Amino acid sequence: KNEVEQSPQNLTAQEGEFITINCSYSVGISALHWLQQHPGGGIVSLFMLSSGKKKHGRLIATINIQEKHSSLHITASHPRDSAVYICAVERGAQKLVFGQGTRLTINP
Amino acid sequence: DTAVSQTPKYLVTQMGNDKSIKCEQNLGHDTMYWYKQDSKKFLKIMFSYNNKELIINETVPNRFSPKSPDKAHLNLHINSLELGDSAVYFCASSPRTASSYEQYFGPGTRLTVT
Repeated sequence: KNEVEQSPQNLTAQEGEFITINCSYSVGISALHWLQQHPGGGIVSLFMLSSGKKKHGRLIATINIQEKHSSLHITASHPRDSAVYICAVERGAQKLVFGQGTRLTINP
Repeated sequence: DTAVSQTPKYLVTQMGNDKSIKCEQNLGHDTMYWYKQDSKKFLKIMFSYNNKELIINETVPNRFSPKSPDKAHLNLHINSLELGDSAVYFCASSPRTASSYEQYFGPGTRLTVT
């Protein structure tokens, strides 16, 4: 069993829908990262958080340290949000341990 | 004005060959990393360097040797390539290891070993 589990593995939705991707982890962490991997392969950091909630535009990330759980939300989803979203936990010295990713497809 | 660059973008080679992948960052960051993404798209850390010093070495075969000539560069040399080395290799950088910072990723190098 991976230290970091994401759900769902695949998600297809219609444009405009509210999207939630979940991440659970089983180890102590210093921070949690959400990354986006574009269809072309590039990886971009979306959020890094160690408590509470962060918001960038239509994206919101939350973390509950006690429950070892984080969620990534996308409001008013758009086809350009189609990508793989990856949760990664940081285990000291900036060592990232990755989840298996969630493939999101937003249909027009 | 590319932040983290890698060369080459694609690399096709035969088993047994030796190859290198180069990574450069112009962000002034202290820490650089190499990650491997396998055919199932699962990312795993291989190495990290902080100011040219090896910090993380994750049970990677000795055939893989990172080299950091200065803190802006972290190259990956692979000896005696095997079929299982086929993957996408990502370089990344971040400001330093003492605290948590976002990491900035390069575009990746797709290595195919035939």
